[in-house]
Amino acid sequence: QKEVEQNSGPLSVPEGAIASLNCTYSDRGSQSFFWYRQYSGKSPELIMFIYSNGDKEDGRFTAQLNKASQYVSLLIRDSQPSDSATYLCAVRTGANNLFFGTGTRLTVIP
Amino acid sequence: GAVVSQHPSWVICKSGTSVKIECRSLDFQATTMFWYRQFPKQSLMLMATSNEGSKATYEQGVEKDKFLINHASLTLSTLTVTSAHPEDSSFYICSARRAALVPYEQYFGPGTRLTVT
Repeated sequence: QKEVEQNSGPLSVPEGAIASLNCTYSDRGSQSFFWYRQYSGKSPELIMFIYSNGDKEDGRFTAQLNKASQYVSLLIRDSQPSDSATYLCAVRTGANNLFFGTGTRLTVIP
Repeated sequence: GAVVSQHPSWVICKSGTSVKIECRSLDFQATTMFWYRQFPKQSLMLMATSNEGSKATYEQGVEKDKFLINHASLTLSTLTVTSAHPEDSSFYICSARRAALVPYEQYFGPGTRLTVT
């Protein structure tokens, strides 16, 4: 079983809509959860992190964490074409390295 | 804040030669740095973890004698690909962990695209 699983997509949403990206993880001891955005040919850029159950909002982005269900999601409100990228979910257990999902490719259609 | 730089951004080298890639944390001290490799349309694969002043810890399947890592200071780590072969062509990305506290935020450099001919 993979440590971190994401739907590879592609996920297409119209401009202005809400994009919902999902991620599940296998290690119940995981403590910190991160969402990175990666444009083609570029390195990942940290968007948000969350480590408490519930929602965390930052501008148009909302991260949601449910540790009981081992589920973390990222909502992007008012999606823009510039949001088109691959979104990587990453999970950390303790102080060790991050485990990355394979990423979900998002396309926002103008 | 939290800027990580890499140099060079791209490099082409001949098979059998060695290439050194530098990774610097510009505005913070990074006790731990990570080196990843990413092939086209694949996710990041951790190669090794390096702590300042100590030997790097390599992931299974990564040859430590081929991929030499030196974490000489709290702001600099280098990856040297020795005797490079075409199959080593990839996107190499370093990452630095900013703090020693939860959630251990980790920031990535812009990456180095290596092409071995």
